[in-house]
Amino acid sequence: RKEVEQDPGPFNVPEGATVAFNCTYSNSASQSFFWYRQDCRKEPKLLMSVYSSGNEDGRFTAQLNRASQYISLLIRDSKLSDSATYLCVVNMFSSNTGKLIFGQGTTLQVKP
Amino acid sequence: DADVTQTPRNRITKTGKRIMLECSQTKGHDRMYWYRQDPGLGLRLIYYSFDVKDINKGEISDGYSVSRQAQAKFSLSLESAIPNQTALYFCATSDPGRGDNQPQHFGDGTRLSIL
Repeated sequence: RKEVEQDPGPFNVPEGATVAFNCTYSNSASQSFFWYRQDCRKEPKLLMSVYSSGNEDGRFTAQLNRASQYISLLIRDSKLSDSATYLCVVNMFSSNTGKLIFGQGTTLQVKP
Repeated sequence: DADVTQTPRNRITKTGKRIMLECSQTKGHDRMYWYRQDPGLGLRLIYYSFDVKDINKGEISDGYSVSRQAQAKFSLSLESAIPNQTALYFCATSDPGRGDNQPQHFGDGTRLSIL
C-alpha cells in the first residue's frame, strides 16, 4: 500500500461545478497535512494546510478525518484557472522532522 | 527575485557524465530538500538537510550525493549519470521554528535529460 494515495483522475468538470478530492494516508501517527497545487511542468505551490477542525479559504475547503485516515479538498464554483494537479502531502512522522510524503496528484480539468 | 533558485533550469547530458544541480535560497530557512518527480510517481525525496553540514538520505538516494556548505545553498550531484535519472528535480526549503505544520517552498525545478 502506498503511504499516500490519491485518485489520479483526470476529473473533468464544467465551470461552476463543485468537485471534491480525497486522499488516504497509511501512518496513523502523521501530524501535518497539506494540499499543494502544481501546474504543468511548474513547481508545486502550497494551496492550504489542513487543520484538525477543517478549514476554508475562499472557494476551497479542506477536511481531515483521522479515524479513517483521509483528507479531502472541496472546490466550489470551479474556475478555468483551477485546472491543475492537486497534490496531497502528509508529514509521516510523529515528531517535527519536516519530511513530507507526496501523493502522485489528482488532475483537474475545468471546461468552459 | 525567486526565494528558492535552481540552476540550471534545463540540462541535457550523456550517460556517465558528472552533473551538479545547484539550489540557493533567500528565505533564511534551515531545512533544505531535493526531490525528483517522475510521471505517475509523484515527488520522491532524494536527500535532505536540517542544517549546514547535516545530510540525511531520503527515499531514493542511491546514485546521488549532496553538499550543504552554507545555510543558503544545497547542491545535488550525480557522479555518473544514467538514463533512468532523467526527471524533473526540485529543491525545497522549510522553516522548523514554527511548529508542526511546516509547508515546504519549492524552486522552479531543473529538467534533466540523460541520453
